[in-house]
Amino acid sequence: QVQLVQSGAEVKKPGASVKVSCKASGYTFTSYGISWVRQAPGQGLEWMGWISAYNGNTNYAQKLQGRVTMTTDTSTSTAYMELRSLRSDDTAVYYCARDVGVLWGQGTMVTVSS
Amino acid sequence: DIQMTQSPSSLSASVGDRVTITCQASQDISNYLNWYQQKPGKAPKLLIYDASNLETGVPSRFSGSGSGTDFTFTISSLQPEDIATYYCQQYDNLPALTFGGGTKVEIK
Repeated sequence: QVQLVQSGAEVKKPGASVKVSCKASGYTFTSYGISWVRQAPGQGLEWMGWISAYNGNTNYAQKLQGRVTMTTDTSTSTAYMELRSLRSDDTAVYYCARDVGVLWGQGTMVTVSS
Repeated sequence: DIQMTQSPSSLSASVGDRVTITCQASQDISNYLNWYQQKPGKAPKLLIYDASNLETGVPSRFSGSGSGTDFTFTISSLQPEDIATYYCQQYDNLPALTFGGGTKVEIK
């Protein structure tokens, strides 16, 4: 069926990097973009950026520019989000979503703690 | 950047009550607005797209209206399974998305 399946929970130390994957199935991967959205504990939804699975074009939220990189691997229909120089306030559930959000992954908990 | 102001931030209502949530955009977004339901520990679920269209499989007690800058989301008869947080989201400024702050709906 049509779905997005994300990688498992991560625990990282401040200053480290994390790379979350999002594997698509059930649809033509290159026909849609992938948005990344995060949600800190008890907080609302924050858009992080978007990548075209067709040509790799990206658009990042200004507050994350320079720390985030989004990529895709069309051979495996997988999107990736890498966040560097992690801080405690990056602790959140990270979601991938198809384009504007009809289809969502299950979420990946990233905990940043020393 | 487009800002989305959602209100109230929380509400408590009885089963069977009519519940209304509003969302205001900082600029004209036409009808490029989604409404989501999020239950604890789960990903958001799309309920309404293009401001007023019901996503397939979503109960008809959910509805949306509005265009331009002012939007309304309504649950016509609140059910126990509707306990959740609801978010509006604009997609006029693609690919950037903006979410409202959320409305937590509880049973009185």
